[in-house]
Amino acid sequence: GENVEQHPSTLSVQEGDSAVIKCTYSDSASNYFPWYKQELGKRPQLIIDIRSNVGEKKDQRIAVTLNKTAKHFSLHITETQPEDSAVYFCAAPNYGGSQGNLIFGKGTKLSVKP
Amino acid sequence: GAGVSQSPRYKVAKRGQDVALRCDPISGHVSLFWYQQALGQGPEFLTYFQNEAQLDKSGLPSDRFFAERPEGSVSTLKIQRTQQEDSAVYLCASSFGQGRTYEQYFGPGTRLTVT
Repeated sequence: GENVEQHPSTLSVQEGDSAVIKCTYSDSASNYFPWYKQELGKRPQLIIDIRSNVGEKKDQRIAVTLNKTAKHFSLHITETQPEDSAVYFCAAPNYGGSQGNLIFGKGTKLSVKP
Repeated sequence: GAGVSQSPRYKVAKRGQDVALRCDPISGHVSLFWYQQALGQGPEFLTYFQNEAQLDKSGLPSDRFFAERPEGSVSTLKIQRTQQEDSAVYLCASSFGQGRTYEQYFGPGTRLTVT
């Protein structure tokens, strides 16, 4: 089945700087890669996703890049703001005999210092 | 429209008690997923419904866990004879499409504490 590794586990940046979170996956059949933001005590919120037919997708200050050959994808946040502070999870679909689930990374706790 | 809702938001159970957790998906969403999230970890898959059919229950940790979605809308996750290791946040997600490659929208979760 799919295995998703996420790095770093914690990331601290100054307000206005950029933040990059990286994930690797193991199953070359994976074709959908969502990113979720989870604030303390809140639900995971889908912030951006990418499908394997494109290499990059942007939405205002956030972007996701995908390298299918290397089997990794990254979340980029530019001009970070204190409200970006949260735990971010990447995910990939599990094709290992299962129909419905996503496999999530262990999360990156992002702290943006004002 | 309304998002995914879950109830109760918090549940404290004594070890050995049975609990039932409810999920109301977004109206019209075909797919419904249950995940378990331990403290400091990412969500882990429990089970998947497509309408009323439970197509995947490979993530349920034991036969004490049971889920249903009888009319293809509201779902209930039941845990029998709760154990301390069952303490976690139980998240429900729904999706308009079928399966794992459509956007999944999460509910706020039910935090279960077994004492």
